Amino acid sequence: NAGVTQTPKFQVLKTGQSMTLQCAQDMNHNSMYWYRQDPGMGLRLIYYSASEGTTDKGEVPNGYNVSRLNKREFSLRLESAAPSQTSVYFCASSEQSVTEAFFGQGTRLTVV
Amino acid sequence: GENVEQHPSTLSVQEGDSAVIKCTYSDSASNYFPWYKQELGKGPQLIIDIRSNVGEKKDQRIAVTLNKTAKHFSLHITETQPEDSAVYFCAASKRVNRDDKIIFGKGTRLHILP
Repeated sequence: NAGVTQTPKFQVLKTGQSMTLQCAQDMNHNSMYWYRQDPGMGLRLIYYSASEGTTDKGEVPNGYNVSRLNKREFSLRLESAAPSQTSVYFCASSEQSVTEAFFGQGTRLTVV
Repeated sequence: GENVEQHPSTLSVQEGDSAVIKCTYSDSASNYFPWYKQELGKGPQLIIDIRSNVGEKKDQRIAVTLNKTAKHFSLHITETQPEDSAVYFCAASKRVNRDDKIIFGKGTRLHILP
């Protein structure tokens, strides 16, 4: 049972480049989330999806887009990367927001 | 929207002593309050949670208390051990239609001193 799988684990981008972070869960969860983690800032919610076909903005959505491709997969896209987007990104899933969330191992992204 | 404040940001305690981490939340409709532990290089993992219809919950050395009136909740770790050293996050959430967010505090780095 793999749980939540994120790819890639590490990535270096140049300013202005685009990329997509992939996330897949095998627990048949309805809800999926993308967070960024910065020193001293905790986990900040970028976007979330309460069910297949729906997505909503979180606390810090600017500069990002998401796609809930199906119930398993929730991708995060950076259209034009900026140094301020250097961070560790975590994907998570849960049955609902009021049940345990399971996190992936994270993607460490550096934008130079 | 929901805002979760967490204190302290760093906490050092002697091995065997107790540690307490406190959180406050702003949205009175929130009804689920989990605590997560994050070890170096890993994603956070749930260690204990509490729902708004309960005032206290215990699991071995870990306990969580909730004061709905004051909108704050706390994590208590007793008889601390070296493996308790980690970053701890509190969170708050509710489920109202599509409002399915989980909002986290900024985290507490706990150091257990030998």
